[in-house]
Amino acid sequence: DQQVKQNSPSLSVQEGRISILNCDYTNSMFDYFLWYKKYPAEGPTFLISISSIKDKNEDGRFTVFLNKSAKHLSLHIVPSQPGDSAVYFCAASAGQTGANNLFFGTGTRLTVIP
Amino acid sequence: GAGVSQSPSNKVTEKGKDVELRCDPISGHTALYWYRQSLGQGLEFLIYFQGNSAPDKSGLPSDRFSAERTGGSVSTLTIQRTQQEDSAVYLCASSLQSTGGVYTIYFGEGSWLTVV
Repeated sequence: DQQVKQNSPSLSVQEGRISILNCDYTNSMFDYFLWYKKYPAEGPTFLISISSIKDKNEDGRFTVFLNKSAKHLSLHIVPSQPGDSAVYFCAASAGQTGANNLFFGTGTRLTVIP
Repeated sequence: GAGVSQSPSNKVTEKGKDVELRCDPISGHTALYWYRQSLGQGLEFLIYFQGNSAPDKSGLPSDRFSAERTGGSVSTLTIQRTQQEDSAVYLCASSLQSTGGVYTIYFGEGSWLTVV
């Protein structure tokens, strides 16, 4: 049973436009959320995180929004660049207790078209 | 090396054979994790080592799967009597510590296992 869901397996966006990647979760105990980015033939790398005490966290072109009532989070990339083309994984945990308690989504492949 | 190193990068094996996957974590990292990603699935936690503590094996899917970590560094994930459903990419990750921020974990490039 997937506790973290990314319902869009792929997304294509024009360079310079906004990319919005969505993630839904079912476990109301989750209170820490992360986004990872994965290029082909590389391991996932940490991108940005948000704690449940916040509803927004921004880091440069990347912003994560959290809607706890809807159990939904999204990653916004503005402006999108071709180098952002990768698979993006959403992950969640109940407390910052280590990667052994992280639940990952299935990933969304973002393609930014030059 | 500078990052988490995994070998082999690709492995094709016949059903019923045993395979060993190796992970060399970042030097000094006390926590080591194994994940796998099957086709169309998210990353699935398998096992976690932290220092000299007993490993957390709660994610291992069956008793055909085992892992060890020698000397607190290199880890080997062993899959006995492989089945086709074991085909996946097996990712190793390490971190300085297991608490205080899961964002500190670093993944290797993964070992792609195909069971035919």
